[in-house]
Amino acid sequence: DTGVSQNPRHKITKRGQNVTFRCDPISEHNRLYWYRQTLGQGPEFLTYFQNEAQLEKSRLLSDRFSAERPKGSFSTLEIQRTEQGDSAMYLCASSEFTTQGAGETQYFGPGTRLLVL
Amino acid sequence: GDSVTQMEGPVTLSEEAFLTINCTYTATGYPSLFWYVQYPGEGLQLLLKATKADDKGSNKGFEATYRKETTSFHLEKGSVQVSDSAVYFCALSDPGYSSASKIIFGSGTRLSIRP
Repeated sequence: DTGVSQNPRHKITKRGQNVTFRCDPISEHNRLYWYRQTLGQGPEFLTYFQNEAQLEKSRLLSDRFSAERPKGSFSTLEIQRTEQGDSAMYLCASSEFTTQGAGETQYFGPGTRLLVL
Repeated sequence: GDSVTQMEGPVTLSEEAFLTINCTYTATGYPSLFWYVQYPGEGLQLLLKATKADDKGSNKGFEATYRKETTSFHLEKGSVQVSDSAVYFCALSDPGYSSASKIIFGSGTRLSIRP
């Protein structure tokens, strides 16, 4: 298993443009999470999927953000009309959820660093 | 809401020194506690975890004990190496707070070890 992968690793865009990031989780992991990390801070939860269903979204996720996981495998995170405040590292994590739930281990990808000029 | 507070950095130590990074938490339920590490240029890696009170998590010489009475999960290592230089994040997951096991992270502590 190659772990969680994310593409692209870096993205520079101009304010107002749309960007899309992709996350490929560890195969057969049924949960997929998106987090955002700004400089000097810990990651903050954005949203998560169990299989193809998006089950929770943070208040951090404005209307300009949308995430999908159409077949319960890879996921995409799109930001429309980017703003300079969107500049951050976007992290994806996956896990195998069991009925026990508590303490499931999330495996993180390397992240996509976004810079909005 | 749930939160994690950890020792501010940067922390600079000499090789073979003893390390403590303090972490305290606030949670509504019975959280699981984690330490993640981020090496330069790499993604977050789980270092250790503890899922209930008095559990001790350990890995690579690092240890942390889940203390419910003091709501703490301090990270310790008896003898640090240059290769331990990284950013360390204390974190919790509280399924009682929502249906997800989303992780709430502290702000991170940068550790630098001098040869």
